[in-house]
Amino acid sequence: KAGVTQTPRYLIKTRGQQVTLSCSPISGHRSVSWYQQTPGQGLQFLFEYFSETQRNKGNFPGRFSGRQFSNSRSEMNVSTLELGDSALYLCASSFSQYNEQFFGPGTRLTVL
Amino acid sequence: ILNVEQSPQSLHVQEGDSTNFTCSFPSSNFYALHWYRWETAKSPEALFVMTLNGDEKKKGRISATLNTKEGYSYLYIKGSQPEDSATYLCASLISNFGNEKLTFGTGTRLTIIP
Repeated sequence: KAGVTQTPRYLIKTRGQQVTLSCSPISGHRSVSWYQQTPGQGLQFLFEYFSETQRNKGNFPGRFSGRQFSNSRSEMNVSTLELGDSALYLCASSFSQYNEQFFGPGTRLTVL
Repeated sequence: ILNVEQSPQSLHVQEGDSTNFTCSFPSSNFYALHWYRWETAKSPEALFVMTLNGDEKKKGRISATLNTKEGYSYLYIKGSQPEDSATYLCASLISNFGNEKLTFGTGTRLTIIP
């Protein structure tokens, strides 16, 4: 079965802009989680969506938001980009956070 | 322990040798412990998800144990091969006032020397 896909794979933006990243989960998975990875940091949990509802969230400012559609596809939006938002953004789909997470290839965001 | 901690940060092991590393996590409000293997230029891949104290899981030459009372898990690799070179991540599912977060450690970077 097809894996988790993320688009775009690479993105370059400038400070102050906003960006939308997309994640298509494995068919049948209703949970989609988003993570940020920066050098020296582990994967930082952003939020989890389940059946179109944000079910859990990490410690990120309100500039980071997301949504999930009825087909379980999810988008993450970052507004008013800052240099520190440069990172690899991974999404993962699963049946729930109690189950193994299946990660996508990631979107590498560079903010100039 | 408030966060998930992994040790050592990096490890070089001779091919054929066995090795192990540690994941420490908060023992209160524990729900599950995940192990992932992350090879360069690939996505993290799940190895194990464990929930019960004393749980042991095995996949080929890799195995893991879980102690939820004291808040640690060990990952063992027997007879290391070059393809075992990767970063190994553990993550604990922690609940805080109903908000469940999968909290990752910073990983153990394993390099197998041929």
